[in-house]
Amino acid sequence: DARVTQTPRHKVTEMGQEVTMRCQPILGHNTVFWYRQTMMQGLELLAYFRNRAPLDDSGMPKDRFSAEMPDATLATLKIQPSEPRDSAVYFCASGPAGTSYEQYFGPGTRLTVT
Amino acid sequence: GQQLNQSPQSMFIQEGEDVSMNCTSSSIFNTWLWYKQEPGEGPVLLIALYKAGELTSNGRLTAQFGITRKDSFLNISASIPSDVGIYFCAGLDNYGQNFVFGPGTRLSVLP
Repeated sequence: DARVTQTPRHKVTEMGQEVTMRCQPILGHNTVFWYRQTMMQGLELLAYFRNRAPLDDSGMPKDRFSAEMPDATLATLKIQPSEPRDSAVYFCASGPAGTSYEQYFGPGTRLTVT
Repeated sequence: GQQLNQSPQSMFIQEGEDVSMNCTSSSIFNTWLWYKQEPGEGPVLLIALYKAGELTSNGRLTAQFGITRKDSFLNISASIPSDVGIYFCAGLDNYGQNFVFGPGTRLSVLP
């Protein structure tokens, strides 16, 4: 049963620290999405990759957030420095080639910045 | 940016009842997706719609791509307790530039 995996599942850190979240997309999928979910804002698209190339990161605060795909099996989302307002659940999703935004979500990383 | 509206925000129904919810936009969308999210989990794709007027079923779930291309509907027949969760619509705008999620409809099923 192919699934998107995310690590860590939970992260508590202090303000100012660097946070790195990792995602392994489903093998064979060529699109990867990063989302942030909060009660107030709901699900927000942060970044979108196709074939490892960033296509859209307009939803991401560029001064502190960065997203990369070092290879086809790993996507990373980094926050440096972290702030309390970054506390949220961060989801990674992947999608197969040829489908218009059909996405399969991972279980999420719950981030708490104190 | 573009936004999607979902109604109702929440609903409480008796087990066995049918459920209807909708998703609307002020602009035209060319893809509609419906997801369900349970506590502590990521959203799960239920149904994808690509053509105006399209009606697609997945078990007891049926979704329709509105003919105006500004709305979509999800129906659940004969609800059961495991239908509990938050149902999100998501859409890709007509230009293929913006992909957004709606705020969700929270469904509670009473035994």
